[in-house]
Amino acid sequence: AQSVTQLGSHVSVSEGALVLLRCNYSSSVPPYLFWYVQYPNQGLQLLLKYTSAATLVKGINGFEAEFKKSETSFHLTKPSAHMSDAAEYFCAVSDPGANNLFFGTGTRLTVIP
Amino acid sequence: GAGVSQSPSNKVTEKGKDVELRCDPISGHTALYWYRQSLGQGLEFLIYFQGNSAPDKSGLPSDRFSAERTGGSVSTLTIQRTQQEDSAVYLCASSFLLAGGPGETQYFGPGTRLLVL
Repeated sequence: AQSVTQLGSHVSVSEGALVLLRCNYSSSVPPYLFWYVQYPNQGLQLLLKYTSAATLVKGINGFEAEFKKSETSFHLTKPSAHMSDAAEYFCAVSDPGANNLFFGTGTRLTVIP
Repeated sequence: GAGVSQSPSNKVTEKGKDVELRCDPISGHTALYWYRQSLGQGLEFLIYFQGNSAPDKSGLPSDRFSAERTGGSVSTLTIQRTQQEDSAVYLCASSFLLAGGPGETQYFGPGTRLLVL
């Protein structure tokens, strides 16, 4: 069965600092992996996804994530945080051929001016 | 439409009443999904539709929950005899095909915030 663990329910960074949001997954087969962002009172928006092509995936708003099979990780990074990045971030996994996403519990990112 | 829409955006109801939540997927999307987002539970998958069929209903938390989809488009999630633990944000998503396939992305609506008093 698939599962996703997001370490740190809350992360605070200073504006301009590196953003690192951690995601580890468990899956019996190489999965598809996603990062979604949720701004206050809005739905989830896809940031990026890994679908077995390049292991370094670039997404919107300057975010990227690297799939590391040996570490079963898919951490999300951004070199320089902006105030507008403050939101909740969800990592999700789906086995190929599966019909739904399994989400982590989310990480709330706060950006300090 | 431009995106997935859900109505109502907010719903307050009394314990024991029935509620209906509506989802309009992106035009042309064949797959539709319902999730529940509640404090302490994160995002929980409820049910998906491929066309008008729901092959797997095992994610529904109880038999008070049901969902249907008509015309391969609009879906309704119904909760009968609501309980306080049903309070949550109910999210709908759609995708062109089933999730899990290469390139498949689920597009989410803004959600319906349900409060059961």
